[in-house]
Amino acid sequence: EVQLVESGGGLVQPGGSLRLSCASSGFTFSLYDMHWVRQAPGKGLEWVSAIATAGDTYYLASVKGRFTISRENAKNSLFLQMNSLRAEDTAVYYCARGYNWGGLDYWGQGTLVTVSS
Amino acid sequence: EIVLTQSPATLSLSPGERATLSCRANQSVSSYLAWFQQKPGQAPRLLIYDASNRATGIPVRFSGSGSGTEFTLTISSLEPEDFAVYYCQQRSHWPPITFGQGTRLEIK
Repeated sequence: EVQLVESGGGLVQPGGSLRLSCASSGFTFSLYDMHWVRQAPGKGLEWVSAIATAGDTYYLASVKGRFTISRENAKNSLFLQMNSLRAEDTAVYYCARGYNWGGLDYWGQGTLVTVSS
Repeated sequence: EIVLTQSPATLSLSPGERATLSCRANQSVSSYLAWFQQKPGQAPRLLIYDASNRATGIPVRFSGSGSGTEFTLTISSLEPEDFAVYYCQQRSHWPPITFGQGTRLEIK
C-alpha cells in the first residue's frame, strides 16, 4: 500500500524558515517524480514544486528562490526547505507521488504551516 | 500558464440524481486532465486521469470525457458519500501544474 506521511509543519514568524519532510512507503521511491501541493485555509489547491527522478527541480514562480525541494532516495524521503516565509504561504502542504510527467496519484494527509507573528 | 475554470461553483443535487461538472482550459491541454475529489479534512483523491480513465478503485458511476479545452466529470447516480469538492488539474504544460478553483457538490 502506498503511504505518504508529511511532517515538519508548525507556526513560524514572517521571514522565518521551516523544513517539511515526507516519508514514503509501499513503492520504489527512486522511480517516481514527487511533488508538493498546498492549500490555504478554505481555498483551492496550488502546486508548489516538483523533483524528477533524475533530480531536476521545478517551482511555482512565487516560491522560486525561497523554497528548495530535495529528495533522499536511500531514505525514501522528500523534503521542502522553506525560507523567507510570508503570511501568504500559510497552508496545508501535501506531498504527492507523480505519474506520467505531471500527474498526481497518491497524496499524504498534509502538514499545516502557519506564518504569523 | 494554463488557467482552468470550473463550473458551476456549487451544485446542489439529491442522492440518486446525475451530476455533471465542467472544466474549461484557456488553451488546449489535449487529454492531460485529471479530476480529484476532496472531502473536509482529507487529502484529494484521484478519480479520473487523462480525461476519461478511472483511477484504481474508483466506482463506475464516475466517468470523465472531453479533450482540448472542454472536459466533463459525470457522476451517474449520486451516493451520499459523493458530496464533496471536485477539482480538475492539467499536466499538459507545466510548470506550473494548475488546478481549477473547484466545484462544491452539496446535498439539496
